[in-house]
Amino acid sequence: IAGITQAPTSQILAAGRRMTLRCTQDMRHNAMYWYRQDLGLGLRLIHYSNTAGTTGKGEVPDGYSVSRANTDDFPLTLASAVPSQTSVYFCASRDRNTGELFFGEGSRLTVL
Amino acid sequence: GQNIDQPTEMTATEGAIVQINCTYQTSGFNGLFWYQQHAGEAPTFLSYNVLDGLEEKGRFSSFLSRSKGYSYLLLKELQMKDSASYLCAVRENDYKLSFGAGTTVTVRA
Repeated sequence: IAGITQAPTSQILAAGRRMTLRCTQDMRHNAMYWYRQDLGLGLRLIHYSNTAGTTGKGEVPDGYSVSRANTDDFPLTLASAVPSQTSVYFCASRDRNTGELFFGEGSRLTVL
Repeated sequence: GQNIDQPTEMTATEGAIVQINCTYQTSGFNGLFWYQQHAGEAPTFLSYNVLDGLEEKGRFSSFLSRSKGYSYLLLKELQMKDSASYLCAVRENDYKLSFGAGTTVTVRA
């Protein structure tokens, strides 16, 4: 069982470039999330999706967009990357019965 | 907004006990989670409290007092592999799980 998979694991890109982080889960969870994790700030919610076809803004949504065309996939796009978006990005899905979040392994993004 | 506070760092000796406190002030409350995160890895689930009291799971226990906005995670019989960050997270509503900044626990031999 793969659980939740993110790609790429790590990426360096130039400021101003467009970048999409991919996230796929095989647990048929309805709710999915994107967090960024920065030293001293913990995990901050960027966007979420309660079910396929719906998305919502989290705590730090500016500069990011998401889509949820189906249950399994929840990509995060940076339309024009800036250095302040250098971070580790975690995708997660939620088990509706327990409320537990399952995290992907993370994508380390460096914007120069 | 939300405010979830936990100590930044704690150090303890192998075999000892460490208690990590978490206080919270959030717009809603639907339960409190503790996650463990080793350096460079994803967070993994440790415990979930929705009612007041103590939940015990092997060497780890978690306590919740909703009236005080307070929880703690107790790690007993510390092992070197317990060196990690421990994240307190409050489920505020159906979609929002808000995290504290995490407590880095270092276990010394």
